Amino acid sequence: QKEVEQDPGPLSVPEGAIVSLNCTYSNSAFQYFMWYRQYSRKGPELLMYTYSSGNKEDGRFTAQVDKSSKYISLFIRDSQPSDSATYLCAMSAGGGNKLTFGTGTQLKVEL
Amino acid sequence: GAVVSQHPSRVICKSGTSVKIECRSLDFQATTMFWYRQFPKQSLMLMATSNEGSKATYEQGVEKDKFLINHASLTLSTLTVTSAHPEDSSFYICSARDTGTPGGDTQYFGPGTRLTVL
Repeated sequence: QKEVEQDPGPLSVPEGAIVSLNCTYSNSAFQYFMWYRQYSRKGPELLMYTYSSGNKEDGRFTAQVDKSSKYISLFIRDSQPSDSATYLCAMSAGGGNKLTFGTGTQLKVEL
Repeated sequence: GAVVSQHPSRVICKSGTSVKIECRSLDFQATTMFWYRQFPKQSLMLMATSNEGSKATYEQGVEKDKFLINHASLTLSTLTVTSAHPEDSSFYICSARDTGTPGGDTQYFGPGTRLTVL
């Protein structure tokens, strides 16, 4: 079993839809959680960074962490075609430990 | 957010030659940088952790003599692919750890370098 599980998609939604992206993990030592967006042939771009259970909002993006269920989510409101990319979840135990990534979910927002 | 640059963005070389890729943190100091490799439609594969002023730590299965890493300053790490072969063709991405964030675990990524070995 992988430490981090993420549905690879592809996920296709119409413009304006609310998108929900999810990851589950098995390592209870993970304390820090990140979401990255990666466009084709580009490096990942940090979208959200959280280090506690609960919600964190930034514009159209909301990151949700449920440590008791070992489940994290990223919600995208009013999705736009420019949101079409691969979304990677990542997490670490802190203290400079390396990140463990999900496999990424490919999202396509259609006009 | 923090900015990490990578150079070159694309390189094509002949088999047997060596290629150097630079990774720079532009607006913060990074004692730790990471080198990843990514194949098409796959996630990032960590190759090595680069610590300023010390030897890099390589992941299992990564040949340290083939992928030379140098982290001589707080803003620059280099990856040299020695005696490159076609199977080394890939997308190489570096990241730099920003210790200014809580837990110090946020990594900012460079734009990547596409290496093609003929």
